[in-house]
Amino acid sequence: GAVVSQHPSRVICKSGTSVKIECRSLDFQATTMFWYRQFPKQSLMLMATSNEGSKATYEQGVEKDKFLINHASLTLSTLTVTSAHPEDSSFYICSARDPRTGGNRETQYFGPGTRLLVL
Amino acid sequence: GESVGLHLPTLSVQEGDNSIINCAYSNSASDYFIWYKQESGKGPQFIIDIRSNMDKRQGQRVTVLLNKTVKHLSLQIAATQPGDSAVYFCAENRGYSTLTFGKGTMLLVSP
Repeated sequence: GAVVSQHPSRVICKSGTSVKIECRSLDFQATTMFWYRQFPKQSLMLMATSNEGSKATYEQGVEKDKFLINHASLTLSTLTVTSAHPEDSSFYICSARDPRTGGNRETQYFGPGTRLLVL
Repeated sequence: GESVGLHLPTLSVQEGDNSIINCAYSNSASDYFIWYKQESGKGPQFIIDIRSNMDKRQGQRVTVLLNKTVKHLSLQIAATQPGDSAVYFCAENRGYSTLTFGKGTMLLVSP
């Protein structure tokens, strides 16, 4: 089955620093990846859609200059939280669409998530 | 006091019981639905999906029912096991657009 990995799994940083999170599709090529944010006991909220070779599409209310997304290859997308503040502390999860499913279905496979704590 | 949004609906069952988790979706144009299971501290795990031209789909120990008339989706888990304890999310999709997740239901299975 489709496997998506994230690195790191957990990161603690000081306020004002930047943090990069990597998302990789391990056994398939993903032209589209997605970044979600999840607060405790809440649902997943889509932040942005990352397209290989082009600019990411951000959801309303998500600051593109604060959450930088780069999708430089078919197996890697990165999310950089710039000038992180305590309110950015959250669980960040990526997913990748497996193009092998075909048709008009969208089967997304999720990474294990990255827990960010900003002090 | 309680805060809105910090308490997931919870379903508590005994091991061996059948569980039914419900979800109301919002968009009548959605044509593809997925159930995900999320264990604490982990990413969502795909369980089962169903397209809008179907009413029912069965997997191993799980069944998804779709009622388009009332925009309702349910996940039935047979012979629930402690390992099924997790938060379950339904998600809806329209064409190749993005997924919209429901609020989630926590399933607690007692031995």
